[in-house]
Amino acid sequence: AQSVTQPDIHITVSEGASLELRCNYSYGATPYLFWYVQSPGQGLQLLLKYFSGDTLVQGIKGFEAEFKRSQSSFNLRKPSVHWSDAAEYFCAVAPNSGGYQKVTFGTGTKLQVIP
Amino acid sequence: KAGVTQTPRYLIKTRGQQVTLSCSPISGHRSVSWYQQTPGQGLQFLFEYFSETQRNKGNFPGRFSGRQFSNSRSEMNVSTLELGDSALYLCASSLAWTAKNEKLFFGSGTQLSVL
Repeated sequence: AQSVTQPDIHITVSEGASLELRCNYSYGATPYLFWYVQSPGQGLQLLLKYFSGDTLVQGIKGFEAEFKRSQSSFNLRKPSVHWSDAAEYFCAVAPNSGGYQKVTFGTGTKLQVIP
Repeated sequence: KAGVTQTPRYLIKTRGQQVTLSCSPISGHRSVSWYQQTPGQGLQFLFEYFSETQRNKGNFPGRFSGRQFSNSRSEMNVSTLELGDSALYLCASSLAWTAKNEKLFFGSGTQLSVL
């Protein structure tokens, strides 16, 4: 069964600073990988997804993520954080076996942005 | 196009009671999945319905059940509530859930508090 680990429960960065959120997955082959963001009181919104091909994936709101097979990682990055990026971020994985696939989410990383 | 609608937004129940939560997916979406979100546990998959059929179920006791109607609206029911059932319950819809071609659209959730 697949699993995903987000080792950082809480991260604080200054506005304008760069950001990297870590995500490690466990799966026998290359899975489908996702990053979702949850603003307070809201549901989750998809930021980006990786299926195959280019290992650097661009998403919405200026986010990008890099798939590294050798490290089983899919870290989320942003070069300059804005106060509105304060939210909780979830990494997710699904098997690429075709048909219906259950998505497994990490426990989330809460991002705080300070002025 | 209206988003995923979950009702009610907040619920307060006491132990032993039962509760029914409702989810109206985006028009045209046939897949509805349910997640339980708690601090520290992240999102735990409950079940997924497609065309009124449950396709997959997570590791939750039988007290948790769901169904989907012909108009794709879905309900989940929790019987004999326990304190540990206090959580944010999220519903997500998609056109036809295959991870590669679709993404999940989440509602804002129902916050259930069990006293």
